[in-house]
Amino acid sequence: EPEVTQTPSHQVTQMGQEVILRCVPISNHLYFYWYRQILGQKVEFLVSFYNNEISEKSEIFDDQFSVERPDGSNFTLKIRSTKLEDSAMYFCASRNSGGGDTQYFGPGTRLTVL
Amino acid sequence: SQQGEEDPQALSIQEGENATMNCSYKTSINNLQWYRQNSGRGLVHLILIRSNEREKHSGRLRVTLDTSKKSSSLLITASRAADTASYFCATDAWDSGGGADGLTFGKGTHLIIQP
Repeated sequence: EPEVTQTPSHQVTQMGQEVILRCVPISNHLYFYWYRQILGQKVEFLVSFYNNEISEKSEIFDDQFSVERPDGSNFTLKIRSTKLEDSAMYFCASRNSGGGDTQYFGPGTRLTVL
Repeated sequence: SQQGEEDPQALSIQEGENATMNCSYKTSINNLQWYRQNSGRGLVHLILIRSNEREKHSGRLRVTLDTSKKSSSLLITASRAADTASYFCATDAWDSGGGADGLTFGKGTHLIIQP
């Protein structure tokens, strides 16, 4: 069964460093998402991406965040200058259509900022 | 405003019993989805119910949706130790404009099944 994959599973970085989190969505899906979950808190929407551009973004997704689909398979989230409060689990998700279909989530990348 | 608030926050039952979790939301939705998360792991999709549906079944899962009350419930029948996890409802307010709206998650119900 196709699944969303994410790498790395765990990333440790120093405050101020740039990180890139990678995702491979399900191959025939058209809509891509990033979410984050701070430890013990609920999952929060960051950004959605469709047709090679951002479709929607939350207040969390400020100028230090960016997303890219550099090729036909990868979808990346870049954090330019990490802060301690960026420590969280980051989930990628994808779905086939924008018509309210199921979003399938990857296993997540745990980002720890020291 | 908060969307997708589950209750109870924690639920502990004996194996074999049924577990019921509730979710309330505030805005109009197109569908509501339930996910399971084992400790520190990814989100596993359980079931999606559309706004024009009232009840849906999948194996031991039963989901109801009451759009007039803006609430949903997830029932797990004949619970097993492996059902121990956190359960989240997530609302999808996708509009007809085709925007790729993100899901809005609740805080979750932590379910513990005692063997």
